[in-house]
Parts: sequence; structure tokens; C-alpha cells
Amino acid sequence: DGGITQSPKYLFRKEGQNVTLSCEQNLNHDAMYWYRQDPGQGLRLIYYSQIVNDFQKGDIAEGYSVSREKKESFPLTVTSAQKNPTAFYLCASSRTGTGGYNEQFFGPGTRLTVL
Amino acid sequence: AQSVTQLGSHVSVSEGALVLLRCNYSSSVPPYLFWYVQYPNQGLQLLLKYTSAATLVKGINGFEAEFKKSETSFHLTKPSAHMSDAAEYFCAVSEGRNTPLVFGKGTRLSVIA
Repeated sequence: DGGITQSPKYLFRKEGQNVTLSCEQNLNHDAMYWYRQDPGQGLRLIYYSQIVNDFQKGDIAEGYSVSREKKESFPLTVTSAQKNPTAFYLCASSRTGTGGYNEQFFGPGTRLTVL
Repeated sequence: AQSVTQLGSHVSVSEGALVLLRCNYSSSVPPYLFWYVQYPNQGLQLLLKYTSAATLVKGINGFEAEFKKSETSFHLTKPSAHMSDAAEYFCAVSEGRNTPLVFGKGTRLSVIA
């Protein structure tokens, strides 16, 4: 089945450590996105990538980094510079190009808790 | 800049009653509009989308939404609530075909037996 996988589902880290969240898709989508979800805040865009080896900052990119070396993969690193990293992180992907809006499909999310 | 306002962070309805979740948007161009549903500790699932075709959009699970340009609204409705509809609902807007979504803060729907 085609879809988006995020691992792990729950992640615990000590304060000051960097941590990398995995996102893989087998939908052959060009674009991938990372969102952060906090209670009562909705989803806020961290980074997105519309093509391999290229990505753009979203609204809350500070303290995060990404890479896009393969079409299928878009890992997110939460660095020690992120002031409040405990949150639910969601990855999404979509096609790009013409022919109507390219809707986003979401993974199941990773809940990161920093102790 | 585009933005979304969802009125009411929590809505409670009785089973069998009408569900109405409100969404107003701001956009400088004709928008694409979406409603997503999220169950606890899961990702988001698309309920329905408006992409400049019919203004009344039907989605999954009996939900529908009407795009009203004059009111800049895209409210979500369902005639009869089921217990399984209890979840968080997000309205989102995009101004371009390949542009990231901007989400509202969400409305948590509770259904009372």
C-alpha cells in the first residue's frame, strides 16, 4: 500500500540533544512538508521541499534543519537550539504540477517529548 | 497573507443533532479550501476540499461544506452527528496549486449520547 511512514511514533530525548525524525513516502510525490502541532495552536509549517536537494523555511524554522537527498525521504532534525521542542510532528507529501490542486497526504505523526 | 479562523475551539452536540463547525478565511486570491479530521494521536485525514468547482462540496462520512465568497466562509456541516464523529477538525487554505497549507487552530467536536 502507498503511504507515508513516520518513525518512531513516540520519542523521548534529554534536553540539549539533537534528534532526527524520519519521514518516508512511497507515493512518488515530489513535495514534502513538516508541520508542528501544539494543543490549541493548529498546525504550523516548519520546512517544505518541492524537489530533491531543495527546501524552503516555513513559519517556524528556527531550531530545526532538514535534508532532501532522496525523493522518498525528508528527515527533520530538532536541534538543541529549539527552545521548546516537545510537540507532535506531522509529515505530509503531495504531487506538484498542473491539473488542479495537489492535496497533501499526512503521515501518522511522531510525538517528541524532551525531558 | 492568507489566514484561517475557526470559531469555537470546542463544540459539543448531542448524538443525532446537526453539526456546524465554522471557518472563515482571508486570502488575496481565489483560495483552495480544505477540511481535515484528526483522531487522537493520529495524522490528518482529508474530509473534503473546494478547488473552484461547485460551491457546495460533499465529503466523506456525510460531511459537506459550502464556499461563500461574500462571507469568506467555508463552514462544515453534517445533518446528524454520530459518536464516531468525535475528533478534532481543521480548516485550511492555500493560495496556490503547489503552495503549503495554512491551518486554523482546530475545533474539537464532542458528541454526547
